[in-house]
Amino acid sequence: EDKVVQSPLSLVVHEGDTVTLNCSYEVTNFRSLLWYKQEKKAPTFLFMLTSSGIEKKSGRLSSILDKKELFSILNITATQTGDSAIYLCAVSVGTYKYIFGTGTRLKVLA
Amino acid sequence: DGGITQSPKYLFRKEGQNVTLSCEQNLNHDAMYWYRQDPGQGLRLIYYSQIVNDFQKGDIAEGYSVSREKKESFPLTVTSAQKNPTAFYLCASSIISGRGAAGSEQYFGPGTRLTVT
Repeated sequence: EDKVVQSPLSLVVHEGDTVTLNCSYEVTNFRSLLWYKQEKKAPTFLFMLTSSGIEKKSGRLSSILDKKELFSILNITATQTGDSAIYLCAVSVGTYKYIFGTGTRLKVLA
Repeated sequence: DGGITQSPKYLFRKEGQNVTLSCEQNLNHDAMYWYRQDPGQGLRLIYYSQIVNDFQKGDIAEGYSVSREKKESFPLTVTSAQKNPTAFYLCASSIISGRGAAGSEQYFGPGTRLTVT
């Protein structure tokens, strides 16, 4: 059975800290791995990763994929209170099929 | 402004009643999806549609029904047969990626929180 596991489930940090969120997967037909940020309601897209070892970066956020060890990490540096959200990891396993992890709930304290 | 809208934001129903959740997109996406999000669980796929007048069951379709009469619209009906309907429902859309392609990012609506008592 395809599965995506995120860790930790929740995390509380202070502003300025750096955090690393993990996403591991076991799927039969990997196509890509996607990260989303869910603040209140609608998840918003952050990154899509398809190749091992190539870092994707957007401001203070970055992500990388390891297809040999079957995981991805999402790094957030110099965290701000606005980074507080649930971060979702999803793996595309078919044209319309995405397996989602349970998410990591991040809280950044001022 | 392009995007996906869902209505209503909050919905309260008595057990035994059917209820329909609205989802509209103006992104010109062919594919649309319905997910259910429960605390401590990932998003689970209820139904998806790749083209007008065609839709497929996802992992947890029992007790739900959909229609796709227009490209822009993909309403979800939660029927009385759904044993545990209280949840947060998310609609999404995407372009259709080709066979062998990497997949596409999905655009999500703001969700509808359904409470059935």
